[in-house]
Amino acid sequence: DIVMTQSPDSLAVSLGERATINCRSSQSLLSNSDNKNYFAWFQQKPGQPPELLIYWASTRKSGVPDRFSGSGSGTDFTLTISTLQAEDVAVYYCQQYYGGPITFGQGTRLEIK
Amino acid sequence: EVQLVESGGGLVPPGGSLRLSCAASGFTFSASYMHWVRQAPGKGLELVANINKDETEKHYVDSVRGRFTISRDNAKNSLYLQMNDLRAEDTAIYHCVRGAGWIQDYWGQGTLVTVSP
Repeated sequence: DIVMTQSPDSLAVSLGERATINCRSSQSLLSNSDNKNYFAWFQQKPGQPPELLIYWASTRKSGVPDRFSGSGSGTDFTLTISTLQAEDVAVYYCQQYYGGPITFGQGTRLEIK
Repeated sequence: EVQLVESGGGLVPPGGSLRLSCAASGFTFSASYMHWVRQAPGKGLELVANINKDETEKHYVDSVRGRFTISRDNAKNSLYLQMNDLRAEDTAIYHCVRGAGWIQDYWGQGTLVTVSP
């Protein structure tokens, strides 16, 4: 199975500042056939199910604020929140859907400093 | 509006069985890949099983293969998970998730399964 490893495990950022979460996969998620990275980011707020934020590594789901952006390719990916808002407090998960069973990172807890 | 509503969770002793259901609405269920994803209390996310639109493809995580069975009824817009020989480590919230292809774009609130004597 493809192993997804996030860093850091937790993060505290001041309101209005930038937050960056990283994710590394144990093998490349870039498909040679369509040149797409089979990779997504999810946000899970307390007591809520996860919500899809970004797919294909950098495509925001409709309705997701543009302060959220995804980047990276192959095995290394980044989620950036450009200006942190109070409602962004959550656990963030990365996910690969490239091959084998879909697998998730362990999660990164984002808090306000 | 896409809605996924799970039911069927509860407290069950080790070795027992449960059948989870997911009622889907707001989209063309019969055309959608569907998933069950679980989350143990305070833990991360784990795909349990998924199924293609006509049940010709079913996949399971190793830890549940042979014990759990995923199925669907497209006429009833419903997804199911039959869980047998339940173990303590199966304790989790089970989410029904819609797949747009492989992308898991909508999640239900989930139903809690607790395996305990």
